[in-house]
Amino acid sequence: ETGVTQTPRHLVMGMTNKKSLKCEQHLGHNAMYWYKQSAKKPLELMFVYNFKEQTENNSVPSRFSPECPNSSHLFLHLHTLQPEDSALYLCASSQEGAGGGETQYFGPGTRLLVL
Amino acid sequence: GQNIDQPTEMTATEGAIVQINCTYQTSGFNGLFWYQQHAGEAPTFLSYNVLDGLEEKGRFSSFLSRSKGYSYLLLKELQMKDSASYLCAVRDGDYKLSFGAGTTVTVRA
Repeated sequence: ETGVTQTPRHLVMGMTNKKSLKCEQHLGHNAMYWYKQSAKKPLELMFVYNFKEQTENNSVPSRFSPECPNSSHLFLHLHTLQPEDSALYLCASSQEGAGGGETQYFGPGTRLLVL
Repeated sequence: GQNIDQPTEMTATEGAIVQINCTYQTSGFNGLFWYQQHAGEAPTFLSYNVLDGLEEKGRFSSFLSRSKGYSYLLLKELQMKDSASYLCAVRDGDYKLSFGAGTTVTVRA
């Protein structure tokens, strides 16, 4: 148990569906992240929120839409996804200091399958 | 982008030692992390190196040489539960964290 929870753990959706992934951190951190993990590939950073402000969007397609209503919750809204979007989506959080960049703690991930 | 290389797979026997190497080329450097990830679970933090040398934590140790762009994770007295993927991650000059593809370690009885 890392203090970061994600729901759902597994999700199957069609290409025309709309769904949302949820992440919650109980660590009092001020930064949250979405990563995509595909088989045999490095984790790909998708979005970063620092103090609820989006500070990074790594050229992610618009069919992925993040939302960070407060420093403890992070959502990833999904719509009209493609089969190649099937992957493990990981959420992480960290406490960022003045210098930036502390240890990131990960949630268990949502295994997404797009049919 | 950043370039982080680590072997894809390694196999070792229970009780043995395994060393997982990681080489990196990044724009600036602000620390290197090792994470362990069991299948279907979250990556969990193992170690952090920002200065050259060896950091020891029980059965696990991590080494860093910044001049060589090189790190290794040493797993001693291997146990079956150590079978997992080990991720090397480097924080660059802009404090962005980039990951290697991971090394799958299989421990055999």
